[in-house]
Amino acid sequence: NAGVTQTPKFQVLKTGQSMTLQCAQDMNHNSMYWYRQDPGMGLRLIYYSASEGTTDKGEVPNGYNVSRLNKREFSLRLESAAPSQTSVYFCASSEELGQGYAPGNTIYFGEGSWLTVV
Amino acid sequence: AQTVTQSQPEMSVQEAETVTLSCTYDTSESNYYLFWYKQPPSRQMILVIRQEAYKQQNATENRFSVNFQKAAKSFSLKISDSQLGDTAMYFCAFMNPFTGANSKLTFGKGITLSVRP
Repeated sequence: NAGVTQTPKFQVLKTGQSMTLQCAQDMNHNSMYWYRQDPGMGLRLIYYSASEGTTDKGEVPNGYNVSRLNKREFSLRLESAAPSQTSVYFCASSEELGQGYAPGNTIYFGEGSWLTVV
Repeated sequence: AQTVTQSQPEMSVQEAETVTLSCTYDTSESNYYLFWYKQPPSRQMILVIRQEAYKQQNATENRFSVNFQKAAKSFSLKISDSQLGDTAMYFCAFMNPFTGANSKLTFGKGITLSVRP
């Protein structure tokens, strides 16, 4: 199983350039997420999508936009990259938790995308 | 908002010994999930263990077990018979599953564990 797939794995950008990180999952999950990981900060949520057609801001959304293209795909766009956006980016997905209790729910992560802005 | 605190930035343990990683959290919710994730040098995020807050029994997965103290809002991870492959960063995480479609993980800052041969 491919699980959660992110592309590209590595990218170097110049300040002011734009780029899109792609993410796709093949587990038929409703919810998808973008996190960034910085040294000493753990993982912080940028944006998430509870279902196809919906997106919401997380803890650190400034400088980013997202698109939930369909149920499988959730992209993250940097319109004008800044050095502060140098980070490792993780896409993740999970089954939607509806009403009631879902003890089997787990969030699955992609392998990460290393982005450097110079 | 929920917060997760891992106060120890790094720890070291001798191979085959036992080590405990600490985590505390803050929430006003009564039902939630807690997780420990392992991140080896490859940076892949690997789920180690999960605890449902409504369960009094501590979760166990082979050499990994937790000490869940709900009243104290403490969730520590014990690794028994440490192996070299356990060397990694470990993240404690919290999820409130009862916000419907808005459930998401909140992470601590992580702890770097080194297992010495």
